[in-house]
Amino acid sequence: DAGVIQSPRHEVTEMGQEVTLRCKPISGHNSLFWYRQTMMRGLELLIYFNNNVPIDDSGMPEDRFSAKMPNASFSTLKIQPSEPRDSAVYFCASSPDGDYGYTFGSGTRLTVV
Amino acid sequence: DQQVKQNSPSLSVQEGRISILNCDYTNSMFDYFLWYKKYPAEGPTFLISISSIKDKNEDGRFTVFLNKSAKHLSLHIVPSQPGDSAVYFCAASARGGSEKLVFGKGTKLTVNP
Repeated sequence: DAGVIQSPRHEVTEMGQEVTLRCKPISGHNSLFWYRQTMMRGLELLIYFNNNVPIDDSGMPEDRFSAKMPNASFSTLKIQPSEPRDSAVYFCASSPDGDYGYTFGSGTRLTVV
Repeated sequence: DQQVKQNSPSLSVQEGRISILNCDYTNSMFDYFLWYKKYPAEGPTFLISISSIKDKNEDGRFTVFLNKSAKHLSLHIVPSQPGDSAVYFCAASARGGSEKLVFGKGTKLTVNP
């Protein structure tokens, strides 16, 4: 199993541009999570899906952030327009139902200049 | 409001000695706790967990202790090895883990040869 696959690994973009982060969860995992890691706030949950349905998006910072999961094997996190304070490492994780240990991807390091 | 707190940003120990990482939580609804380990440029990986019905769980060199009355848990690594050098995250969940994981900010452990 290739694990949770995130792309790109690094993204540098200019303020105001649209950014799309991608995630392929492990096959058979029903839940998918998007986390953001910053020095100030640590690992914070942005949104999570179960069976492709958004369950809790209370962590999404503002309307500039949106996430979709069109099918069981793909999810996107979009930031439009991006701002320098969005610079962080964004992690995607997945888990099967009833399993409490998430499997994380390697993350996308986003830098907005 | 940080519901899961790791008050020590860093810890340094000698190889062969015990490493003790601490974590406090405030939400009394949390009943499942996990530790994750993270190396640079990688996603966190699940290490060990404990349910609130237990006060200790052991897996090889790693032991997690839970003190529910104090809302405190700790991870003991004995003996510590240089390969254990990483950032350790404490995480908590409610309803037996069916709810989202809330993470602490992490403690960076350095094991010196």
